[in-house]
Amino acid sequence: NAGVTQTPKFQVLKTGQSMTLQCAQDMNHEYMSWYRQDPGMGLRLIHYSVGAGITDQGEVPNGYNVSRSTTEDFPLRLLSAAPSQTSVYFCASSEETTTVSPLHFGNGTRLTVT
Amino acid sequence: TQLLEQSPQFLSIQEGENLTVYCNSSSVFSSLQWYRQEPGEGPVLLVTVVTGGEVKKLKRLTFQFGDARKDSSLHITAAQPGDTGLYLCAGAYGDKVFGQGTELSVKP
Repeated sequence: NAGVTQTPKFQVLKTGQSMTLQCAQDMNHEYMSWYRQDPGMGLRLIHYSVGAGITDQGEVPNGYNVSRSTTEDFPLRLLSAAPSQTSVYFCASSEETTTVSPLHFGNGTRLTVT
Repeated sequence: TQLLEQSPQFLSIQEGENLTVYCNSSSVFSSLQWYRQEPGEGPVLLVTVVTGGEVKKLKRLTFQFGDARKDSSLHITAAQPGDTGLYLCAGAYGDKVFGQGTELSVKP
């Protein structure tokens, strides 16, 4: 029972480098989202998608791009990494976009930008 | 601006003690969820409350949604080391908005 799978688990980048954080879910969930978690800040929404081909910005979208070509995959791209993007990134999915639908989270990617 | 304020941010107690974590907002939420997160893992849903005044129990955990749907509390009775973790509340305000989290440490 894989659920939400995130890769890589750890990544170190130099300022200005680009990379893609991968997220895949096998639950046929329509809704997928990316959060970043920083100490004392809780989880902040970066981007989300309500279905294949549809994406929208969350609270902190600057510096990140997303696309959703399939129901299963929702990659997060950092085009030019900055030290302020050092964080733990979580991908989540849910069956519906309703407010009571639970979010299923991956185990996170810990990113350090030097 | 943090829409959801959790308190306390850190809590260290002995096994067997009781504790309460609070989640407060000036906004009305259509529902509120509590999640628990262990180190190196993603948050896992504990409960969803929807109706003002609603109380839900999950073994030794009691969750309450305020009458005005602006606040919630999590009470743990006779805490155990296995309760150690980060507890997050999330309010539905359009998208889900998370509080800062309460880091609980229960010492044997």
